[in-house]
Amino acid sequence: AQSVTQLGSHVSVSEGALVLLRCNYSSSVPPYLFWYVQYPNQGLQLLLKYTSAATLVKGINGFEAEFKKSETSFHLTKPSAHMSDAAEYFCAVSDRGGYQKVTFGTGTKLQVIP
Amino acid sequence: EAGVAQSPRYKIIEKRQSVAFWCNPISGHATLYWYQQILGQGPKLLIQFQNNGVVDDSQLPKDRFSAERLKGVDSTLKIQPAKLEDSAVYLCASSLRGDRAYGYTFGSGTRLTVV
Repeated sequence: AQSVTQLGSHVSVSEGALVLLRCNYSSSVPPYLFWYVQYPNQGLQLLLKYTSAATLVKGINGFEAEFKKSETSFHLTKPSAHMSDAAEYFCAVSDRGGYQKVTFGTGTKLQVIP
Repeated sequence: EAGVAQSPRYKIIEKRQSVAFWCNPISGHATLYWYQQILGQGPKLLIQFQNNGVVDDSQLPKDRFSAERLKGVDSTLKIQPAKLEDSAVYLCASSLRGDRAYGYTFGSGTRLTVV
């Protein structure tokens, strides 16, 4: 079964600093990959998704992620952190083809320090 | 467009009691999902509906959990009887075509506490 590993359950960055949240997937065939954000007491919101040949994916709120097949990674980045970015971020994976389910990682809580 | 609506937002029950959660997906979304999110973990799929048929319920504890989606619109998830380990946030999500390449739209969830 597909799975993702998120390195670091908590990440702290200073406001204005680079945000890097790590995600590695387990699959021999490139899957679909997603990043979701969850603000306190809210549901998950899709940030971006990788579903095609474009390896650099741009999402909402200035986030982007790069699919690296050789490293089986899909790390999330943002050049400059904003206080409003403080939330929990989930990487997710799904097989291609048919109605395959989406499997979520354990999440990384991002803290932004003023 | 209106989002995915869930109710109630919070529920506290004693173990062995029963509880039900309600979800109204985005209009026109054929696929509906129920996820369980235990504190400190990522969401886990419990059941997936395509219209009013079940596509995947492999991780639904069927001895105590049940779900239905009458008429292919609203859905209800029930737990009977509840156990302490059922304490979690129950998230409902919907998608237009069931193709996860389009991403899901999640509701705000129902936080269940079993005491």
